[in-house]
Amino acid sequence: GAGVSQTPSNKVTEKGKYVELRCDPISGHTALYWYRQSLGQGPEFLIYFQGTGAADDSGLPNDRFFAVRPEGSVSTLKIQRTERGDSAVYLCASSLSRDTHTGELFFGEGSRLTVL
Amino acid sequence: DAKTTQPPSMDCAEGRAANLPCNHSTISGNEYVYWYRQIHSQGPQYIIHGLKNNETNEMASLIITEDRKSSTLILPHATLRDTAVYYCIVRIYNQGGKLIFGQGTELSVKP
Repeated sequence: GAGVSQTPSNKVTEKGKYVELRCDPISGHTALYWYRQSLGQGPEFLIYFQGTGAADDSGLPNDRFFAVRPEGSVSTLKIQRTERGDSAVYLCASSLSRDTHTGELFFGEGSRLTVL
Repeated sequence: DAKTTQPPSMDCAEGRAANLPCNHSTISGNEYVYWYRQIHSQGPQYIIHGLKNNETNEMASLIITEDRKSSTLILPHATLRDTAVYYCIVRIYNQGGKLIFGQGTELSVKP
């Protein structure tokens, strides 16, 4: 597609449930990033993939959060035993390469997660 | 990555230039200055970046002081559609593409 696609756009779940959020990056982009954004705050970095591997997962808040990118394209962010504090917009971004200094990340419109 | 400081909010009249400041006094020699903006309910959008020279593109101009401790993003003729949160970020150019966002400046363009 033309841009980064994220599904679902909205997800409402109950506390304790498992959630998966999907990101389809721009074709050919080797780098993929997950951020989350709470109301009134800037995006908070979660994890960064270069190809299939997680190059930096320092932003994952705890072991309930996990992300995969098995074929180096689509990525899934997985949240186990959701808590109300996990409610946020989860943003995905992709870029061409970590070696380019243009630094342009292309963001999707996000998946809004609400945990009741 | 160096920390940036931006005013939390600014107003600008439609058609006038919007000048958004950013302080990055601890920037190091290999760090670039990037600007992104986020319109309500959308993902952030890249605007411009620079190292030490002033830069201009179709969206904006970036003025970086000689000591590189501060910069200004200029939207030459602001429109209502420029109402957004603007983020100033510094980043080492060849580090993994992680961008660290601060709180940004909420720009309101008023008719």
